[in-house]
Amino acid sequence: EDKVVQSPLSLVVHEGDTVTLNCSYEVTNFRSLLWYKQEKKAPTFLFMLTSSGIEKKSGRLSSILDKKELFSILNITATQTGDSAIYLCAVGAGGTSYGKLTFGQGTILTVHP
Amino acid sequence: DGGITQSPKYLFRKEGQNVTLSCEQNLNHDAMYWYRQDPGQGLRLIYYSQIVNDFQKGDIAEGYSVSREKKESFPLTVTSAQKNPTAFYLCASSTTSGRLETQYFGPGTRLLVL
Repeated sequence: EDKVVQSPLSLVVHEGDTVTLNCSYEVTNFRSLLWYKQEKKAPTFLFMLTSSGIEKKSGRLSSILDKKELFSILNITATQTGDSAIYLCAVGAGGTSYGKLTFGQGTILTVHP
Repeated sequence: DGGITQSPKYLFRKEGQNVTLSCEQNLNHDAMYWYRQDPGQGLRLIYYSQIVNDFQKGDIAEGYSVSREKKESFPLTVTSAQKNPTAFYLCASSTTSGRLETQYFGPGTRLLVL
Protein backbone atom coordinates (compact mmCIF):
# COMPACT_ATOMS: atom_id res chain seq x y z
CA GLU A 1 0.00 0.00 0.00
CA ASP A 2 1.32 3.44 -0.97
CA LYS A 3 2.13 5.69 1.96
CA VAL A 4 3.02 9.38 2.39
CA VAL A 5 4.01 10.82 5.78
CA GLN A 6 4.46 14.49 6.53
CA SER A 7 6.20 16.09 9.48
CA PRO A 8 5.75 18.02 11.58
CA LEU A 9 1.96 17.87 11.73
CA SER A 10 1.85 21.47 12.95
CA LEU A 11 4.28 24.31 13.29
CA VAL A 12 4.03 27.80 14.80
CA VAL A 13 6.59 30.44 13.84
CA HIS A 14 6.98 34.22 13.73
CA GLU A 15 7.19 36.39 10.68
CA GLY A 16 10.66 36.33 9.18
CA ASP A 17 11.48 32.80 10.31
CA THR A 18 12.51 30.08 7.87
CA VAL A 19 10.61 26.80 7.96
CA THR A 20 11.27 23.35 6.55
CA LEU A 21 8.43 20.91 5.95
CA ASN A 22 9.14 17.25 5.38
CA CYS A 23 7.50 14.57 3.29
CA SER A 24 8.59 10.93 3.10
CA TYR A 25 6.99 8.31 0.91
CA GLU A 26 6.77 4.63 0.08
CA VAL A 27 5.17 4.29 -3.33
CA THR A 28 5.28 1.53 -5.90
CA ASN A 29 6.23 2.82 -9.33
CA PHE A 30 6.93 6.42 -8.25
CA ARG A 31 6.28 9.03 -10.90
CA SER A 32 6.08 12.47 -9.21
CA LEU A 33 5.77 14.36 -5.94
CA LEU A 34 3.53 17.40 -5.61
CA TRP A 35 3.17 20.15 -3.00
CA TYR A 36 -0.10 22.01 -2.46
CA LYS A 37 -1.07 24.93 -0.21
CA GLN A 38 -4.53 24.90 1.33
CA GLU A 39 -5.64 28.13 2.99
CA LYS A 40 -9.36 27.87 3.57
CA LYS A 41 -10.85 25.72 0.88
CA ALA A 42 -9.31 24.60 -2.40
CA PRO A 43 -5.71 23.34 -2.31
CA THR A 44 -3.61 25.30 -4.77
CA PHE A 45 -0.74 23.74 -6.69
CA LEU A 46 2.79 24.83 -5.73
CA PHE A 47 5.36 22.45 -7.23
CA MET A 48 5.75 19.14 -8.97
CA LEU A 49 9.05 17.25 -8.69
CA THR A 50 10.00 14.33 -10.89
CA SER A 51 13.08 12.38 -11.86
CA SER A 52 13.89 15.08 -14.40
CA GLY A 53 13.22 17.99 -12.05
CA ILE A 54 14.32 17.37 -8.50
CA GLU A 55 14.62 21.00 -7.42
CA LYS A 56 12.10 23.81 -7.84
CA LYS A 57 12.03 27.40 -6.62
CA SER A 58 9.42 30.12 -6.71
CA GLY A 59 10.07 33.30 -4.77
CA ARG A 60 10.50 32.44 -1.09
CA LEU A 61 9.44 28.82 -1.60
CA SER A 62 11.73 26.05 -2.72
CA SER A 63 11.56 22.29 -2.77
CA ILE A 64 13.88 19.38 -3.39
CA LEU A 65 13.29 15.69 -4.03
CA ASP A 66 15.64 12.96 -2.87
CA LYS A 67 14.63 9.85 -4.84
CA LYS A 68 17.28 7.73 -3.20
CA GLU A 69 16.15 8.44 0.35
CA LEU A 70 12.47 8.78 -0.67
CA PHE A 71 11.71 12.21 0.75
CA SER A 72 11.10 15.80 -0.16
CA ILE A 73 11.37 19.06 1.73
CA LEU A 74 9.55 22.34 1.23
CA ASN A 75 11.42 25.42 2.44
CA ILE A 76 9.79 28.77 3.08
CA THR A 77 12.15 31.66 3.86
CA ALA A 78 11.22 35.01 5.44
CA THR A 79 7.77 33.72 6.35
CA GLN A 80 4.76 36.06 6.26
CA THR A 81 1.33 35.76 7.89
CA GLY A 82 -0.06 34.96 4.44
CA ASP A 83 1.95 31.74 4.46
CA SER A 84 -0.31 30.38 7.21
CA ALA A 85 -2.02 27.36 5.68
CA ILE A 86 -2.06 23.58 5.49
CA TYR A 87 0.73 22.30 3.25
CA LEU A 88 -0.08 19.02 1.54
CA CYS A 89 2.37 16.61 -0.02
CA ALA A 90 1.11 14.08 -2.58
CA VAL A 91 2.79 11.38 -4.61
CA GLY A 92 1.74 10.22 -8.05
CA ALA A 93 2.41 6.70 -9.30
CA GLY A 94 2.53 5.11 -12.73
CA GLY A 95 1.21 1.88 -14.14
CA THR A 96 -2.35 0.98 -13.15
CA SER A 97 -2.30 3.81 -10.60
CA TYR A 98 -1.41 6.46 -13.19
CA GLY A 99 -3.18 9.74 -12.42
CA LYS A 100 -3.97 8.85 -8.82
CA LEU A 101 -2.43 10.82 -5.97
CA THR A 102 -1.70 9.59 -2.46
CA PHE A 103 -1.71 12.44 0.05
CA GLY A 104 0.05 12.89 3.36
CA GLN A 105 -1.77 14.17 6.45
CA GLY A 106 -0.66 17.74 5.85
CA THR A 107 1.38 20.20 7.93
CA ILE A 108 -0.51 23.07 9.55
CA LEU A 109 1.71 26.16 9.45
CA THR A 110 0.81 29.18 11.57
CA VAL A 111 2.84 32.36 11.15
CA HIS A 112 2.38 34.99 13.86
CA PRO A 113 3.11 38.68 13.23
CA ASP B 1 -13.16 32.34 -16.54
CA GLY B 2 -12.09 28.69 -16.32
CA GLY B 3 -12.29 26.67 -13.17
CA ILE B 4 -13.98 24.06 -11.04
CA THR B 5 -17.18 24.79 -9.20
CA GLN B 6 -18.73 22.77 -6.40
CA SER B 7 -22.15 23.17 -4.91
CA PRO B 8 -23.55 23.58 -2.42
CA LYS B 9 -20.95 25.11 -0.12
CA TYR B 10 -22.65 23.50 2.90
CA LEU B 11 -24.97 20.50 2.92
CA PHE B 12 -26.94 18.95 5.73
CA ARG B 13 -27.96 15.31 5.67
CA LYS B 14 -30.59 13.59 7.75
CA GLU B 15 -30.32 9.96 8.83
CA GLY B 16 -31.15 7.55 6.01
CA GLN B 17 -31.02 10.24 3.35
CA ASN B 18 -29.01 10.21 0.13
CA VAL B 19 -27.47 13.52 -0.88
CA THR B 20 -25.70 14.57 -4.07
CA LEU B 21 -22.73 16.92 -4.33
CA SER B 22 -22.19 18.73 -7.59
CA CYS B 23 -18.86 19.24 -9.38
CA GLU B 24 -18.54 21.04 -12.71
CA GLN B 25 -15.42 22.08 -14.62
CA ASN B 26 -14.95 24.17 -17.77
CA LEU B 27 -11.22 23.47 -18.12
CA ASN B 28 -11.83 20.78 -20.77
CA HIS B 29 -10.09 18.29 -18.48
CA ASP B 30 -10.59 14.59 -19.14
CA ALA B 31 -10.05 13.31 -15.61
CA MET B 32 -12.04 14.15 -12.49
CA TYR B 33 -11.65 13.05 -8.88
CA TRP B 34 -13.49 13.11 -5.57
CA TYR B 35 -11.65 13.33 -2.24
CA ARG B 36 -12.74 13.36 1.34
CA GLN B 37 -10.81 15.44 3.88
CA ASP B 38 -11.03 14.78 7.62
CA PRO B 39 -8.96 16.63 10.24
CA GLY B 40 -5.50 15.12 10.59
CA GLN B 41 -5.97 12.65 7.74
CA GLY B 42 -5.15 14.60 4.61
CA LEU B 43 -7.13 13.81 1.46
CA ARG B 44 -8.45 10.35 0.67
CA LEU B 45 -9.60 9.34 -2.81
CA ILE B 46 -13.23 8.24 -3.12
CA TYR B 47 -13.74 7.82 -6.89
CA TYR B 48 -12.07 8.98 -10.07
CA SER B 49 -12.87 9.05 -13.75
CA GLN B 50 -10.44 9.46 -16.64
CA ILE B 51 -13.02 9.35 -19.42
CA VAL B 52 -16.74 9.89 -19.89
CA ASN B 53 -18.94 6.92 -18.92
CA ASP B 54 -16.11 5.25 -17.01
CA PHE B 55 -15.00 5.57 -13.39
CA GLN B 56 -13.00 3.62 -10.81
CA LYS B 57 -13.19 3.20 -7.06
CA GLY B 58 -10.60 4.92 -4.95
CA ASP B 59 -9.46 3.96 -1.48
CA ILE B 60 -12.71 4.70 0.38
CA ALA B 61 -15.56 4.16 -2.11
CA GLU B 62 -17.95 2.31 0.21
CA GLY B 63 -21.15 4.27 0.79
CA TYR B 64 -20.58 6.56 -2.19
CA SER B 65 -21.61 6.50 -5.86
CA VAL B 66 -20.74 8.61 -8.91
CA SER B 67 -21.67 9.08 -12.54
CA ARG B 68 -19.79 10.61 -15.47
CA GLU B 69 -22.31 11.22 -18.25
CA LYS B 70 -20.68 14.45 -19.41
CA LYS B 71 -17.05 15.51 -19.56
CA GLU B 72 -17.78 18.64 -17.52
CA SER B 73 -19.67 17.02 -14.68
CA PHE B 74 -18.87 14.42 -12.00
CA PRO B 75 -21.54 14.35 -9.28
CA LEU B 76 -21.00 12.40 -6.05
CA THR B 77 -23.87 10.80 -4.13
CA VAL B 78 -23.37 10.09 -0.45
CA THR B 79 -25.73 7.23 0.30
CA SER B 80 -27.33 6.20 3.57
CA ALA B 81 -24.81 3.34 3.66
CA GLN B 82 -22.06 5.85 4.49
CA LYS B 83 -22.24 5.85 8.26
CA ASN B 84 -19.85 8.69 8.95
CA PRO B 85 -20.33 11.20 6.15
CA THR B 86 -19.42 14.38 8.03
CA ALA B 87 -16.36 15.72 6.20
CA PHE B 88 -15.09 18.25 3.70
CA TYR B 89 -15.45 16.97 0.11
CA LEU B 90 -13.14 18.18 -2.63
CA CYS B 91 -13.47 17.67 -6.35
CA ALA B 92 -10.46 17.92 -8.67
CA SER B 93 -9.68 17.62 -12.35
CA SER B 94 -6.64 17.11 -14.56
CA THR B 95 -5.82 16.79 -18.24
CA THR B 96 -4.51 13.73 -20.06
CA SER B 97 -2.63 16.01 -22.47
CA GLY B 98 -0.31 17.12 -19.70
CA ARG B 99 0.83 15.61 -16.44
CA LEU B 100 -2.28 13.73 -15.38
CA GLU B 101 -1.34 13.89 -11.72
CA THR B 102 -1.30 17.72 -11.66
CA GLN B 103 -4.78 18.10 -10.25
CA TYR B 104 -6.69 21.34 -9.79
CA PHE B 105 -9.23 21.59 -7.00
CA GLY B 106 -12.66 23.10 -6.51
CA PRO B 107 -13.63 25.09 -3.38
CA GLY B 108 -15.20 22.09 -1.63
CA THR B 109 -18.49 21.15 0.00
CA ARG B 110 -18.80 20.68 3.75
CA LEU B 111 -21.28 17.94 4.61
CA LEU B 112 -22.82 17.81 8.06
CA VAL B 113 -25.17 15.25 9.53
CA LEU B 114 -28.24 16.43 11.43
